Amino acid sequence: EPEVTQTPSHQVTQMGQEVILRCVPISNHLYFYWYRQILGQKVEFLVSFYNNEISEKSEIFDDQFSVERPDGSNFTLKIRSTKLEDSAMYFCASSEQTFGYEQYFGPGTRLTVT
Amino acid sequence: AQKVTQAQTEISVVEKEDVTLDCVYETRDTTYYLFWYKQPPSGELVFLIRRNSFDEQNEISGRYSWNFQKSTSSFNFTITASQVVDSAVYFCALSGYFGNEKLTFGTGTRLTIIP
Repeated sequence: EPEVTQTPSHQVTQMGQEVILRCVPISNHLYFYWYRQILGQKVEFLVSFYNNEISEKSEIFDDQFSVERPDGSNFTLKIRSTKLEDSAMYFCASSEQTFGYEQYFGPGTRLTVT
Repeated sequence: AQKVTQAQTEISVVEKEDVTLDCVYETRDTTYYLFWYKQPPSGELVFLIRRNSFDEQNEISGRYSWNFQKSTSSFNFTITASQVVDSAVYFCALSGYFGNEKLTFGTGTRLTIIP
């Protein structure tokens, strides 16, 4: 069964460093998303991406964040200068269509900023 | 703005008991979609079900059933004859229509099944 994959599973970085989180969505999916979950809290939307551009973003997704689909398979989230409060589990998701189609989530990347 | 409330933070039941997880939502959209996701201890998010706002039929899938009531803005999830493998955090989520397709999650209910 097709699945969303994410690398790395765990990333430790120092405050102020840049990190890139990678995702490979399900191959026939057209809509891509990033969410994050601070430990023990709810899952929060960051950004959605379709047709090579951002379709929606939350207030969390400020200028320190960017997304890219550098080729036909990868979808990346870059955090330019990490802060302690960026420590969280980051989930990538993809869906075949929008408007209520189920989003399938990857296993997550745990980002720890020290 | 969309909002999902899961008032039950933690529930513990003995194996084989039935358990219902509550979900109440708020939205201004007339077309919207409701979801349940399971997050087992391993951490991934597993899709369980999707309903749209025009379909109020209850759904049953094995030991799982869902009760959607538009009149009370609720989308409750019942597990019948619970098993230890059902132990997880369960999230209810809501998405809207055009331009509002993101998932808005509730805070989750941690379900522990005691053997």
